[in-house]
Amino acid sequence: DAGVIQSPRHEVTEMGQEVTLRCKPISGHNSLFWYRQTMMRGLELLIYFNNNVPIDDSGMPEDRFSAKMPNASFSTLKIQPSEPRDSAVYFCASTLGTGGSEQYFGPGTRLTVT
Amino acid sequence: GENVEQHPSTLSVQEGDSAVIKCTYSDSASNYFPWYKQELGKRPQLIIDIRSNVGEKKDQRIAVTLNKTAKHFSLHITETQPEDSAVYFCAAYGNNRLAFGKGNQVVVIP
Repeated sequence: DAGVIQSPRHEVTEMGQEVTLRCKPISGHNSLFWYRQTMMRGLELLIYFNNNVPIDDSGMPEDRFSAKMPNASFSTLKIQPSEPRDSAVYFCASTLGTGGSEQYFGPGTRLTVT
Repeated sequence: GENVEQHPSTLSVQEGDSAVIKCTYSDSASNYFPWYKQELGKRPQLIIDIRSNVGEKKDQRIAVTLNKTAKHFSLHITETQPEDSAVYFCAAYGNNRLAFGKGNQVVVIP
C-alpha cells in the first residue's frame, strides 16, 4: 500500500489567497484526521471524519477553514483567505476504526503564507 | 476536553543510557494511550500503545507503563541509540477524541 498521500508537499502563497490541501487515505480505512503542527502549539487536531462524515470539527480555528470528504478516498482542507499565522505543517492521517487505534500519517504539507 | 501534558520538554541522554518520558492526562474516561515518534522533517509514526486494561507493555527496547489512578503514563527507552533521537508525542483517546501532548525532544549523545 502506498500509505496516506498528501498534496502538495510544499505550498507557498500570499496572504489572502485560497489554499487547498489534499489527502488520500489508505484504502479501506474509514476514519480520516487533519492535524496542524507548529512549534508553538504542537500537533493540533483540526477535524475528524468517520465514514466520510465530520464527527468532530471543534479544532477548526475559524470560518476561514473548511474540510470536506466527498468519498472514502479523498479529502480536502481549504483555507480562504489565508493568513501568515496559518503557516504550519498540515498532516492528514487515517485509521481503520476510530481514534482509538493506530493512525497512519501522511508526509504532510508545509504551508507558508507570506 | 482531554488535556495531555508531557515532561520534560527536552531530554539529553548518553548513548546506552535509558530515557523516560512522562505524560499526564485529565479525562478519566480515556482508554487508549499511544506514543508517536517523529524524526526531523518526517511524519509521526506509532512506536507503542497501551489500553487502559493493561498496566505495562514492552516491545524490545521500549516500554510503556500506565497508572490509571494517578492518570499518568510513561515511555521508557533502554539502551538508547543515536537513531532514537527524535520528538516523542504521547496521546490519550477518550470520548471520540485523541489529544496529543506537545512532544519531548530526545537527544542521544554518542
